[in-house]
Amino acid sequence: DAGITQSPRHKVTETGTPVTLRCHQTENHRYMYWYRQDPGHGLRLIHYSYGVKDTDKGEVSDGYSVSRSKTEDFLLTLESATSSQTSVYFCAISERLTNTEAFFGQGTRLTVV
Amino acid sequence: AQSVAQPEDQVNVAEGNPLTVKCTYSVSGNPYLFWYVQYPNRGLQFLLKYITGDNLVKGSYGFEAEFNKSQTSFHLKKPSALVSDSALYFCAVVAGNMLTFGGGTRLMVKP
Repeated sequence: DAGITQSPRHKVTETGTPVTLRCHQTENHRYMYWYRQDPGHGLRLIHYSYGVKDTDKGEVSDGYSVSRSKTEDFLLTLESATSSQTSVYFCAISERLTNTEAFFGQGTRLTVV
Repeated sequence: AQSVAQPEDQVNVAEGNPLTVKCTYSVSGNPYLFWYVQYPNRGLQFLLKYITGDNLVKGSYGFEAEFNKSQTSFHLKKPSALVSDSALYFCAVVAGNMLTFGGGTRLMVKP
């Protein structure tokens, strides 16, 4: 498996609290992504990064922010968690954008109560 | 908008029969297309990709996919399905700076 680790793997949090999910890679890949997976919606891109301090929004970015202060770490923050953000979150990395595959972490199951 | 669609939520096939999982895309310019598989409680795993060249792409576990530019399709195929192929399959396309996925198709292979 590619060197990509998500933490925590499971989390239960209360509505209105901030939550940070961490993605750590040891592959030195340039691109990093955060997706959420929900039944009936497949994987939807939240935010992505194409380098240190270079990030951009995906299709479902409202309520989420990200930071990438070093190559190996990509943090996803739910600023004030809501029940609609209950989901499974996946981080992915890729060396290049167009002609190489992405590698996925094991996922983080987040429940907002 | 650039996108990828998987028209079937689920595909059922008997073991030993050929399988096809459908994918269509809508992108400007040359498409970069991928198939991934997800087993229960796991992240996605890469199966194969089309970048350029031969329209028939071979990948992991005996899977292959056919790129058809005129039909804007990239269907996943396997000549003989195994029960262990049962999983969730995702088609994906690179568009702009983003890797965008279809909604997924659940493949059920019955003995």
